[in-house]
Amino acid sequence: DAEITQSPRHKITETGRQVTLACHQTWNHNNMFWYRQDLGHGLRLIHYSYGVQDTNKGEVSDGYSVSRSNTEDLPLTLESAASSQTSVYFCASSDGDSLNAEAFFGQGTRLTVV
Amino acid sequence: RKEVEQDPGPFNVPEGATVAFNCTYSNSASQSFFWYRQDCRKEPKLLMSVYSSGNEDGRFTAQLNRASQYISLLIRDSKLSDSATYLCVVITGTASKLTFGTGTRLQVTL
Repeated sequence: DAEITQSPRHKITETGRQVTLACHQTWNHNNMFWYRQDLGHGLRLIHYSYGVQDTNKGEVSDGYSVSRSNTEDLPLTLESAASSQTSVYFCASSDGDSLNAEAFFGQGTRLTVV
Repeated sequence: RKEVEQDPGPFNVPEGATVAFNCTYSNSASQSFFWYRQDCRKEPKLLMSVYSSGNEDGRFTAQLNRASQYISLLIRDSKLSDSATYLCVVITGTASKLTFGTGTRLQVTL
């Protein structure tokens, strides 16, 4: 069965360190998204991609970067981790051919920056 | 003003009750609408899409009011297993990125 997986599921890192969160999907979806979820804010879009070599900034992109070198993967990098980036991160993918396409989410990565 | 707004709740209802959630969106050009469900500490999952004419899936009914820019979700005969956070989701324009409301928490009790 097709799926979308995130790794690691939990991560503790120190302020100032570079951290990369992995997202891998086997749906062959063109669209991939990274969200963060914080109490009181819901899910907020960090970066998204509509295909290989395409990346776009979301509403909370400062301090984050992504790259899309193949269809399956969209890794999220925190250039220099800050305590404000402590959050739960969700990756999602959807079929790019339909605006009504269902988005499938990974199980989330709980990141703590100390 | 937030692009998508929801009452955070919580809505505490007894088993068997009918409960309704509303969600408002600010961009009149929004064209696709969904309700997602999120269980505690889990990933969101699609509950149902919302169509212009309204649609029903078992005990769940979704409605869209474009004139007033809101969507609604009605749950009939609530079950304990319906306890979750319900997320209103909107797609605007030609982009496929989903914009989420903050979610409405539902707690169904005995």
